[in-house]
Amino acid sequence: DSGVTQTPKHLITATGQRVTLRCSPRSGDLSVYWYQQSLDQGLQFLIQYYNGEERAKGNILERFSAQQFPDLHSELNLSSLELGDSALYFCASSVDRELDTIYFGEGSWLTVV
Amino acid sequence: EDKVVQSPLSLVVHEGDTVTLNCSYEVTNFRSLLWYKQEKKAPTFLFMLTSSGIEKKSGRLSSILDKKELFSILNITATQTGDSAVYLCAGYNYGQNFVFGPGTRLSVLP
Repeated sequence: DSGVTQTPKHLITATGQRVTLRCSPRSGDLSVYWYQQSLDQGLQFLIQYYNGEERAKGNILERFSAQQFPDLHSELNLSSLELGDSALYFCASSVDRELDTIYFGEGSWLTVV
Repeated sequence: EDKVVQSPLSLVVHEGDTVTLNCSYEVTNFRSLLWYKQEKKAPTFLFMLTSSGIEKKSGRLSSILDKKELFSILNITATQTGDSAVYLCAGYNYGQNFVFGPGTRLSVLP
């Protein structure tokens, strides 16, 4: 158990809908990262937050947005869902100090039908 | 654009074999290279390498970084079926961004 908690674990929704994925980082971690992993695809970096502020942005679609709240949990909002958005969405966290690493949650499986 | 390339993409071996997984990287403001093992879901951390030429070991796994040639290798000796997984390599830069490679899918047959 990495200490990073993601909910829901599985989600099935129809095209055009909107979903919210939630992540609670490890206790004491200030940075939260979101990654998307599709079938046969590597981990694609979406966005990173540090202590409530956006720090880095990757290949995140305009239909997607995220935020990190004062209690450091984060939410990833996916709207106008398309079939191609079906993927495993990982949240990871780190303390954000020298020589650190990131720890992954179990992921949220999103299936768009 | 930063990128990480891994080879081979897929590998099938028998128990007891030794395997070498390769990772080459082009990461701006490179800080360190990380290896993860992904079995069913969440990747789990294996190694973080920041200095060239210093081997890190954990049981049957070992890894080394070459910052001049921009690559790293992950060795697994005396492979077991439990080593079957996707092994991910990631470059970490001073912008606090992790760039992942596509992974090497290792299958160890009994």
